Amino acid sequence: GAGVSQSPSNKVTEKGKDVELRCDPISGHTALYWYRQSLGQGLEFLIYFQGNSAPDKSGLPSDRFSAERTGGSVSTLTIQRTQQEDSAVYLCASSLLVGGTGELFFGEGSRLTVL
Amino acid sequence: GENVEQHPSTLSVQEGDSAVIKCTYSDSASNYFPWYKQELGKGPQLIIDIRSNVGEKKDQRIAVTLNKTAKHFSLHITETQPEDSAVYFCAASGGTSYGKLTFGQGTILTVHP
Repeated sequence: GAGVSQSPSNKVTEKGKDVELRCDPISGHTALYWYRQSLGQGLEFLIYFQGNSAPDKSGLPSDRFSAERTGGSVSTLTIQRTQQEDSAVYLCASSLLVGGTGELFFGEGSRLTVL
Repeated sequence: GENVEQHPSTLSVQEGDSAVIKCTYSDSASNYFPWYKQELGKGPQLIIDIRSNVGEKKDQRIAVTLNKTAKHFSLHITETQPEDSAVYFCAASGGTSYGKLTFGQGTILTVHP
């Protein structure tokens, strides 16, 4: 596609359930990022995938959060045993790593509501 | 780790006026400072960025200035238009991973016609 695609756009779940959020980056972009945006707040870095290197997981808030990137393309962010404080918009971004400007191209986000 | 503070949190101007948003950062190793614009229901979009070897950069009505000594950088929008209304975020990063950003809290800019 032309841009970063995220699904679902909205997800409502009950406390304690697991959720999966999907990101399809721009074709050819080797770097992929997940950020979290809580209501009225700035963006918080979660995790970063760079080519075939081990991901930088330094922003994940707890071990209930995990992410994977298969085949260097699509990524899935998984939140286990969701809590109400997990409610936020989860944004995915991709960028060119070599020869790029550093610009992140963001998707429109997945809005997660935990009841 | 890095900490980025952004002010003001809201800014209201008349069409045609200038708007200035300021950010400070804490980590002297940071060397990349982008500004993102986020419209309602959309993901943020890069509008301008600056690297630490440059003091000022302009792109039409938008300019960014950087003072590394004081660890602050600012966004200047001249001749504002209603379509400039959005949330603006400053950010900072260092090292080789330009995309691992620490964002400010955002500024809601409203331009009144």
